[in-house]
Amino acid sequence: GIQVEQSPPDLILQEGANSTLRCNFSDSVNNLQWFHQNPWGQLINLFYIPSGTKQNGRLSATTVATERYSLLYISSSQTTDSGVYFCAVESFGNEKLTFGTGTRLTIIP
Amino acid sequence: NAGVTQTPKFQVLKTGQSMTLQCAQDMNHEYMSWYRQDPGMGLRLIHYSVGAGITDQGEVPNGYNVSRSTTEDFPLRLLSAAPSQTSVYFCASSLFNGLANTGELFFGEGSRLTVL
Repeated sequence: GIQVEQSPPDLILQEGANSTLRCNFSDSVNNLQWFHQNPWGQLINLFYIPSGTKQNGRLSATTVATERYSLLYISSSQTTDSGVYFCAVESFGNEKLTFGTGTRLTIIP
Repeated sequence: NAGVTQTPKFQVLKTGQSMTLQCAQDMNHEYMSWYRQDPGMGLRLIHYSVGAGITDQGEVPNGYNVSRSTTEDFPLRLLSAAPSQTSVYFCASSLFNGLANTGELFFGEGSRLTVL
């Protein structure tokens, strides 16, 4: 099956810093999503982005499908950004989203 | 709109007991799925369904049964619980374009299961 690797596994930043999270995948995809799991365990969909670039406030994401990677940018980090960020992908005709193991982000006040 | 609702939120079972985790969504989503989350392993797909009457296996289906009699409900059954099934379980749903892919996935709040 498709492999999904996220980096870095852990990231600790001061409030106000910017960060870039990376998701690499091993096969062509027609679906890529980014999720944030907050410290209480809730999973929130951030972006549905099989290709191209999207922005939502301080967050933006870019997927370069031909090179099999996606990036999630967080600018001016806030403590509420803390949690685990997951990337999930689906290859053509697969009907299944496969998740990476996540990047744990900790924002220090 | 309640979104995706899971019950119970917490459950403790003894080895060999059976139980059902309930999942309901009110968004008229065709696609529903169950994941389990274990420390350091991300989310792994257990079973999924692309519509009423249709179910299929995910990455880790052993020990679990599902059915999809209505669009709204997708219960997950543990027939004989084992300690290895101690985990946090998430139900999720999305629109589904059978020609393309699963759509934007929405998650329930999770159910924490402990098997002693």
